[in-house]
Amino acid sequence: ILNVEQSPQSLHVQEGDSTNFTCSFPSSNFYALHWYRWETAKSPKALFVMTLNGDEKKKGRISATLNTKEGYSYLYIKGSQPEDSATYLCAFRNNAGNMLTFGGGTRLMVKP
Amino acid sequence: NAGVTQTPKFQVLKTGQSMTLQCAQDMNHNSMYWYRQDPGMGLRLIYYSASEGTTDKGEVPNGYNVSRLNKREFSLRLESAAPSQTSVYFCASSVGILEQFFGPGTRLTVL
Repeated sequence: ILNVEQSPQSLHVQEGDSTNFTCSFPSSNFYALHWYRWETAKSPKALFVMTLNGDEKKKGRISATLNTKEGYSYLYIKGSQPEDSATYLCAFRNNAGNMLTFGGGTRLMVKP
Repeated sequence: NAGVTQTPKFQVLKTGQSMTLQCAQDMNHNSMYWYRQDPGMGLRLIYYSASEGTTDKGEVPNGYNVSRLNKREFSLRLESAAPSQTSVYFCASSVGILEQFFGPGTRLTVL
């Protein structure tokens, strides 16, 4: 079983704050790192798929970076809004197969 | 496109009963997956099917069976439900190793 950890488990911020959270994964046999956004009572939706060391991806106010050598990825949200409130999941894929291993998620709550 | 659909949305079973959760996708994806989601545990893979005609065990396969009926449909069967199988079940599909698209989930309670 691969170990994928996310921190913090939960985060409360005020509207307008910028925030970031971490996904740690095995640094060996890396193939891809996925980020998903999961709103309450809905299903997870993909944000980014990252494959290269040093990758940076951006979608609006959300961006992510990837360090495969040390086994971590950061997700950043600039100027958080209440609609950013969700659980953010990362998932690791190694080069041995077709499976994603998910972290436990970071639950973000943005207060207006 | 409906994307990924799951039936039923909710189900209550008694211990020992059997049931099949249905999943279908209309995106012509090769790969399909079944996950369970438990509080504090994130998503855990039960079974997956990389292509029509193949299925493989994931992290937590015990107590479940799957059938990849055709390219569109991937069902999950509980032969003899146990309270430990109370969970929310998500089906997902993807084009190979790219991003996964998730269904709306089935909330299962086993009494």
